[in-house]
Amino acid sequence: EIVMTQSPATLSVSPGERATLSCRASQSVSSDLAWYQHKPGQAPRLLIHGASSRATGIAARFSGSGSGTEFTLTINSLQSEDFAVYYCQHYNYWPPTFGQGTKLEIK
Amino acid sequence: EVQLLESGGGLGQPGGSLRLSCAASGFTFSSYALSWVRQAPGKGLEWVSTINSIGGSTYYADSVKGRFTISRDNSKNTLYLQMDSLRAEDTALYYCAKPRGATVFDNWGQGTLVTVSS
Repeated sequence: EIVMTQSPATLSVSPGERATLSCRASQSVSSDLAWYQHKPGQAPRLLIHGASSRATGIAARFSGSGSGTEFTLTINSLQSEDFAVYYCQHYNYWPPTFGQGTKLEIK
Repeated sequence: EVQLLESGGGLGQPGGSLRLSCAASGFTFSSYALSWVRQAPGKGLEWVSTINSIGGSTYYADSVKGRFTISRDNSKNTLYLQMDSLRAEDTALYYCAKPRGATVFDNWGQGTLVTVSS
């Protein structure tokens, strides 16, 4: 199975600044990469699919990039509601696998 | 509005069984594959199983293969997960998830908690 590795494990950023989260696949997943936001007590929320396409209703400050094995989620002008855990997930073939998550915390 | 409501979680004995259900509404149930994804305490998300729209194809994580069975009843708009031979490591919050295609999950339930302990 493909191993997804996210870095850093924890990222401390001030509101209004930019956050850059990384995800690496152990082998190429083409652009079959999704990003999710997960807050305590809530269901995960799809942010990005196809590596760079925003899901319905997702704010433009969220953007994804990359292909193959290296991917990035960028969040511009961080809002208070953006502080959460973020997961990447490939869906290139079975089984789909998630990264271990990056916790985005307020600096 | 898509709604997914899981139920059936609770305390299970090691080696025992539990059956989870996910009642769906707000979309044409029989047209979509559905999945279960879990999150163990303090851990990340783990895909568990997927079933295609008509129930003819099923997929499982190696960690549950041979112990869990996914199924669906399209007449009742309900997804199931039969969990047998439970292990402590199956303790997790189990989410029902609807993909927008393949295994990109754009709708999730709130989850049902399964605790495996003697």
